[in-house]
Amino acid sequence: NAGVMQNPRHLVRRRGQEARLRCSPMKGHSHVYWYRQLPEEGLKFMVYLQKENIIDESGMPKERFSAEFPKEGPSILRIQQVVRGDSAAYFCASSPFGPTGEKLFFGSGTQLSVL
Amino acid sequence: DQQVKQNSPSLSVQEGRISILNCDYTNSMFDYFLWYKKYPAEGPTFLISISSIKDKNEDGRFTVFLNKSAKHLSLHIVPSQPGDSAVYFCAASATQYVSSNTGKLIFGQGTTLQVKP
Repeated sequence: NAGVMQNPRHLVRRRGQEARLRCSPMKGHSHVYWYRQLPEEGLKFMVYLQKENIIDESGMPKERFSAEFPKEGPSILRIQQVVRGDSAAYFCASSPFGPTGEKLFFGSGTQLSVL
Repeated sequence: DQQVKQNSPSLSVQEGRISILNCDYTNSMFDYFLWYKKYPAEGPTFLISISSIKDKNEDGRFTVFLNKSAKHLSLHIVPSQPGDSAVYFCAASATQYVSSNTGKLIFGQGTTLQVKP
């Protein structure tokens, strides 16, 4: 049973470009969470999605960031017009239960570097 | 507003001795607490958890203690091994407050543990 799969592992973008980060949850998991870890900091919650729905985006920056989890395919975190401050490790986690569950299972992350 | 705090950025311990990692929280609605371990270039992996109805949970070399009145929890690793060297994150969740709970975890800043051979 494969774990949470994230790709790419490393992504380099120039300022102003778009970044697309993909996450395939564990088999049977329909709840996806995105976290961001800035250098020397902990993981900060960004957004929680179920299939086709955004449930909680309270941690998402109001501009340039969006997320989706379509009925078919992986969850996508999209960052438009990237800036240097977006450089961070972005982790996706999945859960079979969502709000009634407990622990989250994390992927290996995508390291975004903005030049 | 840092709801979960790990005030020690790093800890160094000799192999075979006890490692104690600490975590404080401010939100009284938190009722479920977890510890995650993270190696460089990898995602966090679940280590151990505790519900607020308990004050101790043990799993092999790992024990988590919860002091609700002090809003404090700690992770004890004994005996410590070099392979335990990693960043340890404390996390909390408010599972019983259905109207606001989405299952998200709130993380501390992490403590880097180094176990010396």
